[in-house]
Amino acid sequence: DAGVTQSPTHLIKTRGQQVTLRCSPKSGHDTVSWYQQALGQGPQFIFQYYEEEERQRGNFPDRFSGHQFPNYSSELNVNALLLGDSALYLCASSFLGGRGNEQFFGPGTRLTVL
Amino acid sequence: GQQVMQIPQYQHVQEGEDFTTYCNSSTTLSNIQWYKQRPGGHPVFLIQLVKSGEVKKQKRLTFQFGEAKKNSSLHITATQTTDVGTYFCALGSSNTGKLIFGQGTTLQVKP
Repeated sequence: DAGVTQSPTHLIKTRGQQVTLRCSPKSGHDTVSWYQQALGQGPQFIFQYYEEEERQRGNFPDRFSGHQFPNYSSELNVNALLLGDSALYLCASSFLGGRGNEQFFGPGTRLTVL
Repeated sequence: GQQVMQIPQYQHVQEGEDFTTYCNSSTTLSNIQWYKQRPGGHPVFLIQLVKSGEVKKQKRLTFQFGEAKKNSSLHITATQTTDVGTYFCALGSSNTGKLIFGQGTTLQVKP
């Protein structure tokens, strides 16, 4: 049973570019959450997708957008990249909307913006 | 919004010594989750505490939820080098899956 998978593993972009990160949740999970983890910090909640809709959003600008597909996989898109967007982007999946449930994190995508 | 403060930020111990990290909130928490992140890795779920005064043990790890549900602690007895990593507490919403993470406590264990 595969856990949460993310692609790509690493990514290097330049300022102003756009990036798409992908996540496949753990088998049986229906909810995907995205987090940004800057070096030395705890993960910060970006948004959560459930039933193909953005259910909750953290304090991130509209440059951050996402999508969930019918097979529960998800994408995170970031437009007009800034140097400060350099971070580890983590995808976490859970079941039943994640209400109070543990979340299973993927290995993350390390994004570097030059 | 709700926040959780975690102390200490760093802890260096000799192998065999005990270790404790504390998580505090100014508001009552519906539940608290603990995660461990190894260097270069991703957060891995350890446990969830829900009830006031709850104490749960996992081998050498003891997790506690305060009576007022405003604080929590993780205690490791007789640390080993495999305990190295950053331990995060996270506030979990009872309505959604949003997690609010503390800043984490990074544990270094000298062999």
